[in-house]
Amino acid sequence: DVKVTQSSRYLVKRTGEKVFLECVQDMDHENMFWYRQDPGLGLRLIYFSYDVKMKEKGDIPEGYSVSREKKERFSLILESASTNQTSMYLCASSGAGWYGYTFGSGTRLTVV
Amino acid sequence: GNSVTQMEGPVTLSEEAFLTINCTYTATGYPSLFWYVQYPGEGLQLLLKATKADDKGSNKGFEATYRKETTSFHLEKGSVQVSDSAVYFCAHAPQGGSEKLVFGKGTKLTVNP
Repeated sequence: DVKVTQSSRYLVKRTGEKVFLECVQDMDHENMFWYRQDPGLGLRLIYFSYDVKMKEKGDIPEGYSVSREKKERFSLILESASTNQTSMYLCASSGAGWYGYTFGSGTRLTVV
Repeated sequence: GNSVTQMEGPVTLSEEAFLTINCTYTATGYPSLFWYVQYPGEGLQLLLKATKADDKGSNKGFEATYRKETTSFHLEKGSVQVSDSAVYFCAHAPQGGSEKLVFGKGTKLTVNP
């Protein structure tokens, strides 16, 4: 069964910490995405990548960066975590043929 | 610009009731359309899709028809179950080579026994 795996389901971090959220897909997909999900706001795109070492900003990139050194792995980095980054973070991937996204199970991050 | 508008929730129904969740979109050309479902504590799962006008997507008793003339993709189910309680997201993939999906804000459905 094809999968997108996010390394943690729950994380608690302190304000100012550098936080890494990892996402790995086993479908050889070219495209990978990071979203955050907040009540009343739906899904908002943070960053996405069409290829290795390639990244593009989404709608809310401020305070985040990403890394894609290998095709299967797409990391989201919070350079200095703040309380307003407390959220559910969802990773997704897609490939050619447009069958839509495959999502990971999400990481619920709490910044205290 | 490209956008998706879906009916505000939450929606509460009794088991075996009929469900409709409205979704309309704004896009140029002929986008592909999707419904995703998110069960409590989980990520989103693709529920159904349609890639051209008049296509009907269906899965697990849910259906949605791509209506180009009304730019709509309403989700329906004839008889809901408690296990259908979830958040439902409508989305479209704008035509023109962009791989980014545009999502609605989600509609929370609760089905009571």
